Amino acid sequence: GQQLNQSPQSMFIQEGEDVSMNCTSSSIFNTWLWYKQDPGEGPVLLIALYKAGELTSNGRLTAQFGITRKDSFLNISASIPSDVGIYFCAGPTGANSKLTFGKGITLSVRP
Amino acid sequence: NAGVMQNPRHLVRRRGQEARLRCSPMKGHSHVYWYRQLPEEGLKFMVYLQKENIIDESGMPKERFSAEFPKEGPSILRIQQVVRGDSAAYFCASSPREGYNEQFFGPGTRLTVL
Repeated sequence: GQQLNQSPQSMFIQEGEDVSMNCTSSSIFNTWLWYKQDPGEGPVLLIALYKAGELTSNGRLTAQFGITRKDSFLNISASIPSDVGIYFCAGPTGANSKLTFGKGITLSVRP
Repeated sequence: NAGVMQNPRHLVRRRGQEARLRCSPMKGHSHVYWYRQLPEEGLKFMVYLQKENIIDESGMPKERFSAEFPKEGPSILRIQQVVRGDSAAYFCASSPREGYNEQFFGPGTRLTVL
C-alpha cells in the first residue's frame, strides 16, 4: 500500500528558531494534509493542500505541495513552546478518502 | 462545541472482556472513519461508515472487531474478547460528504487491556 515517510523521528530546536519538516512518498497523492497531535489528544488539522506547487500559510505555518506530488513540506517560523507536539503528514488513499499517515515527527522546543 | 466527541476517553478492560467505543461526529457530518494508533506510530485506518452503512472495512481485523453507525445515535466500535495487543488509542474522524478529504478528529479513546 501507499506509505508516507517522515524523518527524523524527533527534532529539537530553540525557541524563536524556524523549523522545516518534510514528508515523502513513492506514490502520487492528490491531497496533502498536515496534522498536529498534542499528548493525550486527537490530531488537529493544520493545513490542507490540493494542487501541485501550492504554497499555503496558516499563521506561522507554511506548507507546500511538491511539484512531483510525491512530497510536501511544513515550515514553522519563530517557534514558541506551544509548538511542541507530533506533526503528521497524511493523504487520502483510494476512492473512500481513507487517510494514510506518516509516523510523525516529535518536535521539542527549548525555551 | 460542535466538534467530534468520543467516549470514554480512557477504558480499561481485562483480557476476554468486550470494549465499546463511541463516536459522535461533528454536527452536519454523516461520514465517520475509525483509526487506531499504536505507541510511537502514525494512525492506521480501520473502517469507514456512513449512516447505517459500512463502506470500507479493509483495515479492520476480520475477527472480534465490528463497527456500526446507526440512523440515530453515535458510531460504535466494538471489540470482543479483547487481548493485550488491542491496547492502543482509537480515534474517530468525521467529514461532511463523500470525497471530502479533510477529516476532523475526536480526542480518542485510550484502551488498556490488562
